[in-house]
Amino acid sequence: AQSVAQPEDQVNVAEGNPLTVKCTYSVSGNPYLFWYVQYPNRGLQFLLKYITGDNLVKGSYGFEAEFNKSQTSFHLKKPSALVSDSALYFCAVRPSFSGGYNKLIFGAGTRLAVHP
Amino acid sequence: DTEVTQTPKHLVMGMTNKKSLKCEQHMGHRAMYWYKQKAKKPPELMFVYSYEKLSINESVPSRFSPECPNSSLLNLHLHALQPEDSALYLCASSQDRGGDNPGELFFGEGSRLTVL
Repeated sequence: AQSVAQPEDQVNVAEGNPLTVKCTYSVSGNPYLFWYVQYPNRGLQFLLKYITGDNLVKGSYGFEAEFNKSQTSFHLKKPSALVSDSALYFCAVRPSFSGGYNKLIFGAGTRLAVHP
Repeated sequence: DTEVTQTPKHLVMGMTNKKSLKCEQHMGHRAMYWYKQKAKKPPELMFVYSYEKLSINESVPSRFSPECPNSSLLNLHLHALQPEDSALYLCASSQDRGGDNPGELFFGEGSRLTVL
């Protein structure tokens, strides 16, 4: 079965400290991987994606993610957290055989709380 | 600012009502999506339209009826809903580039539906 796991319901970080939000996946073939952020009562905003190439992907708002094929992981990172980064983060995977549209499989989400 | 516009932002309806949710995008995207999101849960795919044709129906009950009048518009017609259908309904769009280079999804802000 194809799936995405975000093992932490919540991550707490002090402002200015580095943050990591974890994601592991299980899909057939080469995956396409995405991170989205959702602020309260808002839609999802795209942060970054991995398609192929360099395993370190840089995205919006200073976020980056590292693709690790052997560990089937795609962890989201930021060197210095801001209080405004507090939100719900979703990892998503699109199996490479899902056709021309993005039939994404979302993880359960991780709530990031950055404390002043 | 989102480039996918959803109306209304909030909708309250009775179980016998007929209402519609509307979605519009002007990015030239040819794939459009409806997702349902319950509180603190990941979005669940309902329907995908690709080039104005219904490509995916994720076994959604017939009380939800999608419509894609043209490449920029996507509607979700609602009839005889149940209280458990109360949720945030998200519209999204993406470039339909084929399997090798999936474009990311752009989400609207959502329509929060309450069924009494």
